[in-house]
Amino acid sequence: DQQVKQNSPSLSVQEGRISILNCDYTNSMFDYFLWYKKYPAEGPTFLISISSIKDKNEDGRFTVFLNKSAKHLSLHIVPSQPGDSAVYFCAAHPNFGNEKLTFGTGTRLTIIP
Amino acid sequence: DTGVSQNPRHKITKRGQNVTFRCDPISEHNRLYWYRQTLGQGPEFLTYFQNEAQLEKSRLLSDRFSAERPKGSFSTLEIQRTEQGDSAMYLCASSLLGIEAFFGQGTRLTVV
Repeated sequence: DQQVKQNSPSLSVQEGRISILNCDYTNSMFDYFLWYKKYPAEGPTFLISISSIKDKNEDGRFTVFLNKSAKHLSLHIVPSQPGDSAVYFCAAHPNFGNEKLTFGTGTRLTIIP
Repeated sequence: DTGVSQNPRHKITKRGQNVTFRCDPISEHNRLYWYRQTLGQGPEFLTYFQNEAQLEKSRLLSDRFSAERPKGSFSTLEIQRTEQGDSAMYLCASSLLGIEAFFGQGTRLTVV
């Protein structure tokens, strides 16, 4: 039972353009959502998060959008840079006090120079 | 460097042997997590500690696995009688107040 789904295993985007990574979830108890970036042979690096009380959170080139009614979130990266090439994981956990993260299977983003 | 530190980075062991991994969290973080990641999958939760108390264990954590966090500081994850299916990246993460978890670089285990 995959409670967090990233249906696109890979995505290629031209440098300078916008990258949009999508994530869907099924568990309505999830209250906090995070995006992690992972390079080969390294652990995931925290990127940005959003609480369910918000629908948007922005940090520099990264913006996360949350649509609770659709149980969908997306990560926008603009402009995309070659260093953004990595695997991106969407993760979620229930409300404060239960921080066990459930991860998606990841999307490999390749930025084409 | 004050990030999460994991040792060793790589471990190759023969089937049936015991292995132990160590995780040193960010010093002020009271919560520590272990995850396991296999190829093509996202990290899967194994267990977590708040200070020295182990609060939750996944059903993925069979009785061959044991984790400890003495004195609420570093943690160890031991796998007894390793099997080939245990080959994976073992990730440790820590957090303060359980909001954003910060991960270490992981220990890659290969069981031959």
